[in-house]
Amino acid sequence: DQQVKQNSPSLSVQEGRISILNCDYTNSMFDYFLWYKKYPAEGPTFLISISSIKDKNEDGRFTVFLNKSAKHLSLHIVPSQPGDSAVYFCAATGYSTLTFGKGTMLLVSP
Amino acid sequence: DSGVTQTPKHLITATGQRVTLRCSPRSGDLSVYWYQQSLDQGLQFLIQYYNGEERAKGNILERFSAQQFPDLHSELNLSSLELGDSALYFCASSLGTSGSWEQYFGPGTRLTVT
Repeated sequence: DQQVKQNSPSLSVQEGRISILNCDYTNSMFDYFLWYKKYPAEGPTFLISISSIKDKNEDGRFTVFLNKSAKHLSLHIVPSQPGDSAVYFCAATGYSTLTFGKGTMLLVSP
Repeated sequence: DSGVTQTPKHLITATGQRVTLRCSPRSGDLSVYWYQQSLDQGLQFLIQYYNGEERAKGNILERFSAQQFPDLHSELNLSSLELGDSALYFCASSLGTSGSWEQYFGPGTRLTVT
């Protein structure tokens, strides 16, 4: 039973455009959400997070939106750059452990 | 560089064998987490230790065990290895206190069981 779902295994975007990565969750106890980026042969790197008391959090080119009623969050990258090409994992927690989605591979082409 | 170190980087061993993976957390972090990433799978949480004590358990097989030592480094022991145990094993660390949910990951150990 997947509690955190990333339904798009991959996404291709052109440089300069917006990348939107989506994530759905089923557990109502989750109240903190995170996005990680992973390059091949490296460990995941923390990118941005959001608490359930907010609906938006921005950090430079990265913005995370949270829709609690829909149990949905999304990561927007604007503008997308070739260096953003990586696998993006959504994660959620209600206590101390993180539950991860299976990831979305983003490819940003020049 | 996350500050989390893992050794070895690669490990190749035969079925039935036992291996030990090692992790040193970021300076100041008290919690260590172990994850398994198999092909086409997300990060599966295995186990968490906080300041030497087991805090949470996930999908960890009985053949696997872990511990955290007084200097806060952690080891994951995998025994009676099977082909299906081939995967990337990540260690992560965090402060471990309420509200500090961000975990910082090491580079991983790639285990190949032949």
